[in-house]
Amino acid sequence: NAGVMQNPRHLVRRRGQEARLRCSPMKGHSHVYWYRQLPEEGLKFMVYLQKENIIDESGMPKERFSAEFPKEGPSILRIQQVVRGDSAAYFCASSSGTSGGQETQYFGPGTRLLVL
Amino acid sequence: AQSVTQLDSQVPVFEEAPVELRCNYSSSVSVYLFWYVQYPNQGLQLLLKYLSGSTLVKGINGFEAEFNKSQTSFHLRKPSVHISDTAEYFCAVRLTTDSWGKLQFGAGTQVVVTP
Repeated sequence: NAGVMQNPRHLVRRRGQEARLRCSPMKGHSHVYWYRQLPEEGLKFMVYLQKENIIDESGMPKERFSAEFPKEGPSILRIQQVVRGDSAAYFCASSSGTSGGQETQYFGPGTRLLVL
Repeated sequence: AQSVTQLDSQVPVFEEAPVELRCNYSSSVSVYLFWYVQYPNQGLQLLLKYLSGSTLVKGINGFEAEFNKSQTSFHLRKPSVHISDTAEYFCAVRLTTDSWGKLQFGAGTQVVVTP
């Protein structure tokens, strides 16, 4: 059973370009979470999605960042007009959504974004 | 609002020695507690979790943690570490009232095991 998959694993962008990060949840999981890890810091929650719905985006910057989880295909985290401060590791996690707050979130290997 | 504090940013330890990683939290409502491990350039892997019941929780790779409600702590221990335990360890909480369960993480503790 494949785990959470993220691609690309590494992404280099120049300031002003767009970054698209993809996340395929574990088979059977319908809940996706995105977290950001800045250098020397812990992970910070960004957004929580279910299929075709954004449930909570309270941790996501209001500008330039957007996320989606379409009916078919992976979840996408999109960063427009990237700046150097966006350089970080972005982790996706998924859960089944069947056990309420008690269930485990399974993490992908992350996408490491470097903005030049 | 809740917060998670990991008191040590780095813990050096010799191989086969015991290790304890400290985690304290604050929250106005009850929480679930988690420890994750992150190996270099990898994602996070769940070590163990406390949901309810026995306050001593056993996890993978010989780790265990004890939930202390009065001290709002959830310290992680291993009686004898291996070189392969070199990694970053994150404590996390989730409010029991959150039906969808976002995690709040501490800043992490880097464990460096030397021969």
